[in-house]
Amino acid sequence: EAQVTQNPRYLITVTGKKLTVTCSQNMNHEYMSWYRQDPGLGLRQIYYSMNVEVTDKGDVPEGYKVSRKEKRNFPLILESPSPNQTSLYFCASSFRLAGGPNEQFFGPGTRLTVL
Amino acid sequence: AQSVTQPDIHITVSEGASLELRCNYSYGATPYLFWYVQSPGQGLQLLLKYFSGDTLVQGIKGFEAEFKRSQSSFNLRKPSVHWSDAAEYFCARHPGGGNKLTFGTGTQLKVEL
Repeated sequence: EAQVTQNPRYLITVTGKKLTVTCSQNMNHEYMSWYRQDPGLGLRQIYYSMNVEVTDKGDVPEGYKVSRKEKRNFPLILESPSPNQTSLYFCASSFRLAGGPNEQFFGPGTRLTVL
Repeated sequence: AQSVTQPDIHITVSEGASLELRCNYSYGATPYLFWYVQSPGQGLQLLLKYFSGDTLVQGIKGFEAEFKRSQSSFNLRKPSVHWSDAAEYFCARHPGGGNKLTFGTGTQLKVEL
């Protein structure tokens, strides 16, 4: 089954304790992205990757890191989490088409609480 | 900067009634527009998309949307709402280059039985 998976689905942690949220897709998509969803703000892009070893900042990258060493995986790293990073996080992937968009497939989300 | 506006934060309709969710986008080149639905505790599922051509697009679950360039709108409609349609709905825009989606703030739909 074609899908985007995220782990963990739920995480409660404390300020300053490094964590990683994994994202994996089995559709051979070039493009992957991380979003955070906050009430009243919709989804905002954190980081994205156009292909292996190619990443760039989205709208709200502060406090986050990413890496793309393999095509299928795109982990989100919080080196020193803070309470304002409490949010619902979504990973998404799509094929990269020249000259136009393509449907993005979303993972089930990771709900992170930073105390 | 390109933006997407969903003016209605919450909408309540009775089951069987018609539904229209509004979406406006800021001016720009040919917009690529999407509607996603997020059921409670779930990820986002694509309902429909508009890239070009016929301005009335059909999607899954009986939804449709009409692109109106003169009004910069892409409203989502359904003729008869089911209780299972209760969810949050997001309109999104793609600029055409790169792969970034810009989302609206969402509309929470409640369906009264």
